[in-house]
Amino acid sequence: DAGVIQSPRHEVTEMGQEVTLRCKPISGHNSLFWYRQTMMRGLELLIYFNNNVPIDDSGMPEDRFSAKMPNASFSTLKIQPSEPRDSAVYFCASSLAGTDSEKLFFGSGTQLSVL
Amino acid sequence: SQQGEEDPQALSIQEGENATMNCSYKTSINNLQWYRQNSGRGLVHLILIRSNEREKHSGRLRVTLDTSKKSSSLLITASRAADTASYFCATAGDSWGKLQFGAGTQVVVTP
Repeated sequence: DAGVIQSPRHEVTEMGQEVTLRCKPISGHNSLFWYRQTMMRGLELLIYFNNNVPIDDSGMPEDRFSAKMPNASFSTLKIQPSEPRDSAVYFCASSLAGTDSEKLFFGSGTQLSVL
Repeated sequence: SQQGEEDPQALSIQEGENATMNCSYKTSINNLQWYRQNSGRGLVHLILIRSNEREKHSGRLRVTLDTSKKSSSLLITASRAADTASYFCATAGDSWGKLQFGAGTQVVVTP
């Protein structure tokens, strides 16, 4: 299995630009999570989906952030417009919801730098 | 917000020594998990312990859980240079999916 695949690996953009991060979960997994990691705040859960439906987006910082999961094999996290304080590593993770399946499988992350 | 807090923040040991790190949390949990993160990589799940379990082993890893003290410990025995990484505890409450991570313990194992 290829694992969780995220793209791009690195993204450098200028303030005000739109940024789209992509994630392909592990085939067969039915839950998908977006996390953000910074030195100051650690790992923060932004949003998670179950069976392609957003369950909890209370961690999304503000309206500039949006996430979609149009099908079981693809999700996007969009920031529009981007700001320097959005600079962080964004991780996507997937899991198979159910008994004994709470562990998350993480992608390698997208390092975002907003100048 | 972070639920778990790891202690110590950083740990430096030599190969062959044991490494112990602790995690404290604030609210009741369904399970507690430990993850490892190598520099520049994603997190990798190590072990899960449920609230009704007190100890669990996996290879060179030993995890304990004390729900009365709201704390857990991770012991890595006979450490190797490849164990150099950051280690995070994560707690899952009654609300499935909301896995909250601590700040992590950075472990450096020198040959």
